[in-house]
Amino acid sequence: KNQVEQSPQSLIILEGKNCTLQCNYTVSPFSNLRWYKQDTGRGPVSLTIMTFSENTKSNGRYTATLDADTKQSSLHITASQLSDSASYICVATEGSQGNLIFGKGTKLSVKP
Amino acid sequence: DTEVTQTPKHLVMGMTNKKSLKCEQHMGHRAMYWYKQKAKKPPELMFVYSYEKLSINESVPSRFSPECPNSSLLNLHLHALQPEDSALYLCASSQDKAGVSVDEQFFGPGTRLTVL
Repeated sequence: KNQVEQSPQSLIILEGKNCTLQCNYTVSPFSNLRWYKQDTGRGPVSLTIMTFSENTKSNGRYTATLDADTKQSSLHITASQLSDSASYICVATEGSQGNLIFGKGTKLSVKP
Repeated sequence: DTEVTQTPKHLVMGMTNKKSLKCEQHMGHRAMYWYKQKAKKPPELMFVYSYEKLSINESVPSRFSPECPNSSLLNLHLHALQPEDSALYLCASSQDKAGVSVDEQFFGPGTRLTVL
């Protein structure tokens, strides 16, 4: 069964600190992996998209990694800001139908 | 313009009402999507339109009826909904259908639907 699991479920950090969110996926055939940021009550916003041949991709203070062999991805946030408080969703694209398989997200709270 | 717009932002309706949700994009994207998202849950795919034709219908009840009048517009017609249908309804678009390419999928802000 295609699925995406994220950890931790929630995370609280102090402003200025770094953090890393984890994602494990079991999706076959695998096409690409995406990280989204979703503010409460708003639509998700894309942070990164990586194919199986890409190991890392950055978008400002966000850096995503992908290990296609172990089927793991991580999202590293550097020098966190209060505006980083949101849910971060890992999404794997299934390659035959193109369906997006969503993880349940990690809820990040950045405190002053 | 890299924006997907949705109207209305909020909608409250009774179980006997008929209403419609609207979605619009002017990025020239040929794939458009409807998702349903319950609180603290990830989005669930409902429908996919590819080149204005219904490509995927994820076994959604017939009280939800999608329509794609043209390549820029996507509607979701609602009729005889149940209270459990209350959720955030998200529209998204991409250059082509996900899986065909690694195009970014742009999401709209969503319509918060409450069914009384």
